Amino acid sequence: DTAVSQTPKYLVTQMGNDKSIKCEQNLGHDTMYWYKQDSKKFLKIMFSYNNKELIINETVPNRFSPKSPDKAHLNLHINSLELGDSAVYFCASSARYGSSEQYFGPGTRLTVT
Amino acid sequence: GENVEQHPSTLSVQEGDSAVIKCTYSDSASNYFPWYKQELGKRPQLIIDIRSNVGEKKDQRIAVTLNKTAKHFSLHITETQPEDSAVYFCAASNWSNDYKLSFGAGTTVTVRA
Repeated sequence: DTAVSQTPKYLVTQMGNDKSIKCEQNLGHDTMYWYKQDSKKFLKIMFSYNNKELIINETVPNRFSPKSPDKAHLNLHINSLELGDSAVYFCASSARYGSSEQYFGPGTRLTVT
Repeated sequence: GENVEQHPSTLSVQEGDSAVIKCTYSDSASNYFPWYKQELGKRPQLIIDIRSNVGEKKDQRIAVTLNKTAKHFSLHITETQPEDSAVYFCAASNWSNDYKLSFGAGTTVTVRA
């Protein structure tokens, strides 16, 4: 009965590799988000999709590419990983675009060595 | 874009005392101000929010106040308990425009037994 789930929970990889993080929500929500939380706990929006359409695209390196195959899924693919990509990545969803409460997933801790 | 500043960065209180966290925002068009609580190793969760047409909102031991003129809002936790220990994030958004949440840097609250 998990509302927003992410896989994997932990990801350790070497610089230069390509990796993906998957997110799924079973709440029937229309809007999904990716956030990055750095080592100082700062939470920053990266992307947002509404009904599979990209609506927020912050100044994120184009090595990061989100993909939404359907409303319930929003995956994040990262190419050519760098040390500075190490962070916790949170997926979130909200009922609809403009709906207030965002429900966060458990996070994926990415460590680039 | 919106810039949210949050103070203090850390706060230690005796159990039973009150805790106050303050945030300021830069965009006068912002009209939605949620507060999220993140326990250690867990996901952020919405605890209370306020919209710009309201000056104060209370939910049991937590309350939020908003001063639109001064562009600041505050979280008040009364009768603190050990389970209130967490990182608290304020955020601001123009809920008539892009619905993008801009988060403060977080306040680590420790409640001493």
